[in-house]
Amino acid sequence: GAGVSQSPRYKVTKRGQDVALRCDPISGHVSLYWYRQALGQGPEFLTYFNYEAQQDKSGLPNDRFSAERPEGSISTLTIQRTEQRDSAMYRCASSLGGVQGGGYTFGSGTRLTVV
Amino acid sequence: DAKTTQPNSMESNEEEPVHLPCNHSTISGTDYIHWYRQLPSQGPEYVIHGLTSNVNNRMASLAIAEDRKSSTLILHRATLRDAAVYYCILRGTSYGKLTFGQGTILTVHP
Repeated sequence: GAGVSQSPRYKVTKRGQDVALRCDPISGHVSLYWYRQALGQGPEFLTYFNYEAQQDKSGLPNDRFSAERPEGSISTLTIQRTEQRDSAMYRCASSLGGVQGGGYTFGSGTRLTVV
Repeated sequence: DAKTTQPNSMESNEEEPVHLPCNHSTISGTDYIHWYRQLPSQGPEYVIHGLTSNVNNRMASLAIAEDRKSSTLILHRATLRDAAVYYCILRGTSYGKLTFGQGTILTVHP
């Protein structure tokens, strides 16, 4: 596609429910990244993939958070047993990858509210 | 990740040049210098990146000090649309993450 697509744009869920956030990267982009952003703060890294392989998950806050990219394209970030502190904007980005360090393209994000 | 230091905020007038500084004294020889900006209510947007030489593109110019311990993002003629948070980030040559700091809030006055 023309850009990175995230769905849903907004998600309101009750505390304790599981949520799945979807990211559809730019076609052909090797690397896919998940970030979380609180209001007034810079994006906070969660995890990233090259193709289908999860390369770094050091930013995932705890074991309620998981991510997958089974076919090396679309990725899903899952939060189990949501808590109010999980409320934030969740952003996905993709890039061509490679050692020259090209730019990321970010999606519009999913605003998650846990009530 | 090597750390960058940016001013919290800067102001400019419309149609004037803006020089956004970034210090990165612990940069390693293989770190690329990336700049992103984030407009209100939008996701971060790639601006420019470089390694050693100055770089120009349609959005901005990047001036890198000879010792690479600092860099400056130059917006040649600021517009109201350039009002955003600007992030200076170092990225190594591995397929690594970008680590965002607090950035510089740029205000552009008409």
